[in-house]
Amino acid sequence: GEDVEQSLFLSVREGDSSVINCTYTDSSSTYLYWYKQEPGAGLQLLTYIFSNMDMKQDQRLTVLLNKKDKHLSLRIADTQTGDSAIYFCAEKGNTDKLIFGTGTRLQVFP
Amino acid sequence: DTAVSQTPKYLVTQMGNDKSIKCEQNLGHDTMYWYKQDSKKFLKIMFSYNNKELIINETVPNRFSPKSPDKAHLNLHINSLELGDSAVYFCASSHGGSTIETQYFGPGTRLLVL
Repeated sequence: GEDVEQSLFLSVREGDSSVINCTYTDSSSTYLYWYKQEPGAGLQLLTYIFSNMDMKQDQRLTVLLNKKDKHLSLRIADTQTGDSAIYFCAEKGNTDKLIFGTGTRLQVFP
Repeated sequence: DTAVSQTPKYLVTQMGNDKSIKCEQNLGHDTMYWYKQDSKKFLKIMFSYNNKELIINETVPNRFSPKSPDKAHLNLHINSLELGDSAVYFCASSHGGSTIETQYFGPGTRLLVL
């Protein structure tokens, strides 16, 4: 079945880059997404990538997709304390539903 | 001008009660969803409706019944609440059928069953 895995925690110093990794199993994935959830809040769409792309950059965010290895990553440049949150990757296959990863809790310290 | 809204934001109730959570979207989307996020932050889809018709129904107890009076609303009714139903419930919507299928989420309803 479909499965999406992420490491649970990441801790970085303010100003450094953060890299959050995600692996998935569904080879029919069409779109892959990154969502951000701040404490006590809902999910905010950060960015997405189509499965035929290798990379997408959006300001401080860079998404890399290795379709062969079914590996997705999100790089946040110049990480700020406001970036502290839980980051979810999600994949969409042939149905409308999103399969979410386990979430990575990013902690940024000064 | 909230895109996807949910009420109530917090819900505390006793075991065995029946409760409803409401969701409304003003984005003109055709498809709406309910997701459950448990205490470990795992997010899983429960239901999806497209133009008031049920299209996704994951393995969810029969005590959960979604109702879509029109395509802008998708309510979730829960009968005979159990302790394990305590979670955050998120509503989402998307165009449905578009190439991107980006889902927009509501702020969540935090349900605590005592």
